[in-house]
Amino acid sequence: KAGVTQTPRYLIKTRGQQVTLSCSPISGHRSVSWYQQTPGQGLQFLFEYFSETQRNKGNFPGRFSGRQFSNSRSEMNVSTLELGDSALYLCASSLDTAHEQFFGPGTRLTVL
Amino acid sequence: SQQGEEDPQALSIQEGENATMNCSYKTSINNLQWYRQNSGRGLVHLILIRSNEREKHSGRLRVTLDTSKKSSSLLITASRAADTASYFCATTPQPGPMEYGNKLVFGAGTILRVKS
Repeated sequence: KAGVTQTPRYLIKTRGQQVTLSCSPISGHRSVSWYQQTPGQGLQFLFEYFSETQRNKGNFPGRFSGRQFSNSRSEMNVSTLELGDSALYLCASSLDTAHEQFFGPGTRLTVL
Repeated sequence: SQQGEEDPQALSIQEGENATMNCSYKTSINNLQWYRQNSGRGLVHLILIRSNEREKHSGRLRVTLDTSKKSSSLLITASRAADTASYFCATTPQPGPMEYGNKLVFGAGTILRVKS
């Protein structure tokens, strides 16, 4: 089975721009979660989607949003980028609650 | 915010030795997972232990869970240079009323260095 894939792997943007990141989960997995990893704050939960519905949300501003499509692929969007949004963004897929979550390679976002 | 605290923050051992990492958490959980991360890459899933389990093994890995102390440990036996990485524990908290989902709460991680 193919693993979780994320595109693009690297992005460089400037302040004020917006960005869209994509995640394709493992085949058959309906839960997709997003995490932000920074040296200062560590790994933090952004949100989770299950069957096209946002099921859970972390403590991030409304500039961070996401969606899930009928094939379980997910996108997250960050609008009005700030320098502090520079981070590794990780996507994880899972069959459902309380199952193993498998992570993709991440998208490294740099905001200049 | 992070639920877990990991101990030690960094660990340096010789190849062939055992490495033990500990994780403590604050709330009741459904399960706890351990992950490995190499140099800012994606997280590799190592093992999941459920709240009603006390110990699990997978190859050279042994994980214990003590829900009364809200703590877990990961033991890597006969370590290899390739085990050099950061190790994270992640808990799935028991949801509150009207809460659903699959949120993972991570600890700060332990940096393991295995010298050859």
